Amino acid sequence: IQMTQSPSSLSASVGDRVTITCRASQDIRNDLGWYQHKPGKAPKLLIYAASTLQSGVPSRFSGSRSGTDFTLTISSLEPEDFATYYCLQDYVYHTFGGGTKVELK
Amino acid sequence: EVQLVESGGGLVQLGGSLRLSCTASEITVSTSEMNWVRQAPGKGLEWISYIHHSEDTVYYADSVKGRFTISRDSAKNSLYLQMNSLRPEDTGVYYCARERDIRQFDIWGQGTMVTVSS
Repeated sequence: IQMTQSPSSLSASVGDRVTITCRASQDIRNDLGWYQHKPGKAPKLLIYAASTLQSGVPSRFSGSRSGTDFTLTISSLEPEDFATYYCLQDYVYHTFGGGTKVELK
Repeated sequence: EVQLVESGGGLVQLGGSLRLSCTASEITVSTSEMNWVRQAPGKGLEWISYIHHSEDTVYYADSVKGRFTISRDSAKNSLYLQMNSLRPEDTGVYYCARERDIRQFDIWGQGTMVTVSS
């Protein structure tokens, strides 16, 4: 299963609404998670089962699904949200999307 | 504190071998589903291997199949990745991660760096 993530990077300001998309090459049901990764740190699970918020993750993060398209939305970007984000399908083995780097405009 | 700590990374020559370890605290490796994930310099995350808690089931990405072996030691509460026939494209940071029943990775280590020189 291939996961196509877009955009590969974006520039945004604090307070902006940010949307990141992953498209699966086939139906993967809701078997997808989203991760935040900062340099030198361990990746952090944000959302699983396409739209369920992991415990302790701020509610400004949300996930949704439409067919084979999955979206991570950050409703109002905070300074600590500048990082790289990845989707991960768990329908068959595991495959990461290519990543989206969220940078300060 | 719940944590995973990787070790064993380093510099190795083309075709060489290395064994990575992942030691767990407050997690029982023998009853958990565990994975290895890597990140090449300037690249994204790549899942490379999985082991079921029964140890009967292991999976590998095509990029490492036949060269890498995942295993664990219950007595040491540790996960391992034996890496043979190493190539320059195996260079990167290697993370171990616990997979919860939701089939996503909720606990990660900080990573260990592997460099394969040609």
